[in-house]
Amino acid sequence: GQSLEQPSEVTAVEGAIVQINCTYQTSGFYGLSWYQQHDGGAPTFLSYNALDGLEETGRFSSFLSRSDSYGYLLLQELQMKDSASYFCAVNTGGFKTIFGAGTRLFVKA
Amino acid sequence: DVKVTQSSRYLVKRTGEKVFLECVQDMDHENMFWYRQDPGLGLRLIYFSYDVKMKEKGDIPEGYSVSREKKERFSLILESASTNQTSMYLCASSLTTDRDTQYFGPGTRLTVL
Repeated sequence: GQSLEQPSEVTAVEGAIVQINCTYQTSGFYGLSWYQQHDGGAPTFLSYNALDGLEETGRFSSFLSRSDSYGYLLLQELQMKDSASYFCAVNTGGFKTIFGAGTRLFVKA
Repeated sequence: DVKVTQSSRYLVKRTGEKVFLECVQDMDHENMFWYRQDPGLGLRLIYFSYDVKMKEKGDIPEGYSVSREKKERFSLILESASTNQTSMYLCASSLTTDRDTQYFGPGTRLTVL
């Protein structure tokens, strides 16, 4: 079957750096996306990696290694507002995207 | 900014009822999607549509149908609601030229009693 694995919860301190890992096993792979979802809110797009390497967007970076079927989201200078759920998602071809179960990030003061 | 709206934030229905969930996007996106979100399971694709009147089954289409008569509107239909369809339903849209960026609506929390 197809699966994406990510930790269920991560806790970090305000101002710190946190990494959320995602490993995938899918029948096809066109790219890895990351979405953020605050409680009661809609998922919002953060980043996309189609090729190996690091993509940086402000305080957030995303990394992909296709040979390892692995990626991560790196959040720097953590703020309280970063407390949310983070989902990795794989485009398996065409219009189909498979989402992970999500990682709940708790940022402590 | 892309705006995706859903007809209701909260809905309570009885077992056996026919349920309509409506989704409208205002950015002329070709692709629209319906997901359900359950704790510990993430988002699972029910159906998607890449053009008016076109639809494709996702990973969990059983018990659902969809309708896309206009480009901006994508409806999810539960023909005969069951308690195991109690869930959060999320609609999303995307451009074909940027299909990996999906824009989500606020969701509809459906409870089937």
